[in-house]
Amino acid sequence: NAGVTQTPKFQVLKTGQSMTLQCAQDMNHEYMSWYRQDPGMGLRLIHYSVGAGITDQGEVPNGYNVSRSTTEDFPLRLLSAAPSQTSVYFCASSATSGSADTQYFGPGTRLTVL
Amino acid sequence: KNEVEQSPQNLTAQEGEFITINCSYSVGISALHWLQQHPGGGIVSLFMLSSGKKKHGRLIATINIQEKHSSLHITASHPRDSAVYICAPWRGGSQGNLIFGKGTKLSVKP
Repeated sequence: NAGVTQTPKFQVLKTGQSMTLQCAQDMNHEYMSWYRQDPGMGLRLIHYSVGAGITDQGEVPNGYNVSRSTTEDFPLRLLSAAPSQTSVYFCASSATSGSADTQYFGPGTRLTVL
Repeated sequence: KNEVEQSPQNLTAQEGEFITINCSYSVGISALHWLQQHPGGGIVSLFMLSSGKKKHGRLIATINIQEKHSSLHITASHPRDSAVYICAPWRGGSQGNLIFGKGTKLSVKP
């Protein structure tokens, strides 16, 4: 099992560009989520999905879109990148959305927006 | 006001010392996760607990739901324990209710 994979590992964008951060898991997990991590702050939830075809907003959804067409994949789209979106992005999954489940994190994508 | 407070923010210890990291939260929760973030950035889950105590190797986690407090202890600390430790209470319901502390950065010197 590869677990949770994310691509790319690093990305530099110019303001206004769009891009997609990829996330995939091979554990048949129902639940997937995207977080951003900024210096001096805890992880913050951007969007999450409780199953294929179902997504919902987290704490900081503005400027991001998601979709979940398959159980395995949960891409995060930046529509028009802004310097405020410079951050490290983590994708995570768990078997269900319940609190008792182990959370599995991807290795992260470090994004810089100039 | 932060819903999750961790202390200390930074901690330096000598190899072999007993380490304690504290987590206090202000909301009602049904469970709490402890996570470890390696210097390279990867995050792994250490514990999920809803009551009492759990032990895994040299790591021990305790929680008192009524007092809204959890602790993570490391016995016989080692330089490979150097990492950021993150407390993440779960408010119940969907994943949208998982909240994160800012982390405690631990450095263990040989």
